Amino acid sequence: EDQVTQSPEALRLQEGESSSLNCSYTVSGLRGLFWYRQDPGKGPEFLFTLYSAGEEKEKERLKATLTKKESFLHITAPKPEDSATYLCAVQAGYGGSQGNLIFGKGTKLSVKP
Amino acid sequence: DGGITQSPKYLFRKEGQNVTLSCEQNLNHDAMYWYRQDPGQGLRLIYYSQIVNDFQKGDIAEGYSVSREKKESFPLTVTSAQKNPTAFYLCASSIVSETPAYGYTFGSGTRLTVV
Repeated sequence: EDQVTQSPEALRLQEGESSSLNCSYTVSGLRGLFWYRQDPGKGPEFLFTLYSAGEEKEKERLKATLTKKESFLHITAPKPEDSATYLCAVQAGYGGSQGNLIFGKGTKLSVKP
Repeated sequence: DGGITQSPKYLFRKEGQNVTLSCEQNLNHDAMYWYRQDPGQGLRLIYYSQIVNDFQKGDIAEGYSVSREKKESFPLTVTSAQKNPTAFYLCASSIVSETPAYGYTFGSGTRLTVV
């Protein structure tokens, strides 16, 4: 069964304290792995797509990496405005999910000044 | 600007009442989706549609119904058969492709509360 697990569930950082969020997955042929940011009471906002192991993408203080079993979202010198829930999703190449995105439960990040 | 519009932002339902959540997109996307989000549960797929006049059940379709009469619109009805409808509902759309570069585009959500 296709599955996505994110850890930790919640992460509290001090401003400037770098850290990483983990997304581990098991899918029948990975088409793509997606990272989203979700603010309270709003819809998820697209951050990155990763397609193959070894790929990296960067945007401001965020960097996403991908291996054959997991993805990391590295946050360098975070600011309070980075506080949000970060969602990971995968799209399988075939199987019961029919190509729909499968989401993890998210990591809630809080950055204190 | 292209995007997805969900309305209303907040909705209150009385016991035994059906309510309909609106979702409209002007991105020319073929596929549309409805998700339910509860605290600690992540996003759970209710229904999806990849083409007009066709839709498929997701993981938690019981108590919900949809229609797809136009490419731009995918309304969700929460029926009285849904016993625990209080949740945050998200609509999304995407292109239909082997590798959609941007995954799904989401609306801003509708928060439904039973009163």
